[in-house]
Amino acid sequence: QVQLVQSGVEVKKPGASVKVSCKTSGYTFTNYGISWMRQAPGQGLEWMGWISVSSGSTSYAQHLRDRLTLTADTSTTTAYMELRRLRSDDTAVYYCARANGAFDPWGQGTLVTVSS
Amino acid sequence: QSVLTQQPSVSGAPGQRVTISCSGSTSNIGAGYDVNWYQQFPGTAPKLLIYGNNIRPSGVPDRFSGSKSGTSASLAITGLQSEDEADYYCQSYDSSLSGSLFGGGTKLTV
Repeated sequence: QVQLVQSGVEVKKPGASVKVSCKTSGYTFTNYGISWMRQAPGQGLEWMGWISVSSGSTSYAQHLRDRLTLTADTSTTTAYMELRRLRSDDTAVYYCARANGAFDPWGQGTLVTVSS
Repeated sequence: QSVLTQQPSVSGAPGQRVTISCSGSTSNIGAGYDVNWYQQFPGTAPKLLIYGNNIRPSGVPDRFSGSKSGTSASLAITGLQSEDEADYYCQSYDSSLSGSLFGGGTKLTV
């Protein structure tokens, strides 16, 4: 079955960077994109960006464009999300999802806490 | 303005029917982009409930249905069950943002 398994909890200081991985299995990695979303505590879902695994092209939410990088490693069928210059309001659960119009399925989520 | 607006909460008794609305604009729903719906239980990842405006993935009960008209979309749930109590989010693409967009979410209480 299709699975996306994300890396574990991260605790970072303001100004640091975080890189979250999303290991996929059960489907042809290059046939789909990967989208990343986040959810701050008690808040709704926010779309962060998308990567075409086959071409490597990316699309980012405008307000994250200068801090966010999405990559995909076809040799390990793993996608990565790196967010730089972290701030306290980046504290959230980060999700990856297979993207083909809709987002399905989703990874289990990775809690990233930014605190001094 | 590039937002998708959902009512914050909705409630219904077991067996009843409820609808959750998703109001957009001419740069997203009104431009013809598909609307997708997700169900999220506390502490878990969202799950795709409806895609392509009105298509249920395998395994989703036919009590859930989606529709779209103009710049808005709706999710209807009939025969409410206690296990339907969750947060529901609509999602679409926005041409002004050149990216995807989620509604603010609706908390369903049964």
